[in-house]
Amino acid sequence: KAGVTQTPRYLIKTRGQQVTLSCSPISGHRSVSWYQQTPGQGLQFLFEYFSETQRNKGNFPGRFSGRQFSNSRSEMNVSTLELGDSALYLCASSLAEGGPYGYTFGSGTRLTVV
Amino acid sequence: KNQVEQSPQSLIILEGKNCTLQCNYTVSPFSNLRWYKQDTGRGPVSLTIMTFSENTKSNGRYTATLDADTKQSSLHITASQLSDSASYICVVSPFSGGYNKLIFGAGTRLAVHP
Repeated sequence: KAGVTQTPRYLIKTRGQQVTLSCSPISGHRSVSWYQQTPGQGLQFLFEYFSETQRNKGNFPGRFSGRQFSNSRSEMNVSTLELGDSALYLCASSLAEGGPYGYTFGSGTRLTVV
Repeated sequence: KNQVEQSPQSLIILEGKNCTLQCNYTVSPFSNLRWYKQDTGRGPVSLTIMTFSENTKSNGRYTATLDADTKQSSLHITASQLSDSASYICVVSPFSGGYNKLIFGAGTRLAVHP
């Protein structure tokens, strides 16, 4: 079966712009989580969505937002981009909220802010 | 504060040799502990997942151990191969009333040389 699909794979934006990233979970998975990975900070949790509702949120500014659609696909939006937002953004899907059965990660979207 | 610390930060070994990676955590109580392998530019792939009551879990040449008393876990790789070159990340899920949030270690970067 298809894995977690993230689009686009690579993105270059300028400071001040906004960006939307997409994540399609494994068929049947209802939980989608988003993470930011940078060389200095490692992987950091952004938020988790389950049944179109944000269930948990990490310590990121309000410029980072997301949503989940009825088909479980999720989007993440970052507004007013800053240079420090350059990172690999990963999403992970799970059968249930909290990932008790494990998470499957996508290959990520590499965002570069110039 | 819930933390996950991994050591060493990086490691170089020769092909065919064994190695052990360490993970110390302060998360308590916790739901489960996972080890992921992440190739450069890709998303993490799950190797093992252990609940707090499990002591060991194997996946091929990868064996994870867990000592809940000392709050330590290790990942042992036997007969290393060039394809084992990657970052290995220890991840702990705190048990927080059903809304789990993953806490990631910074990872150990392993390089296997011929």
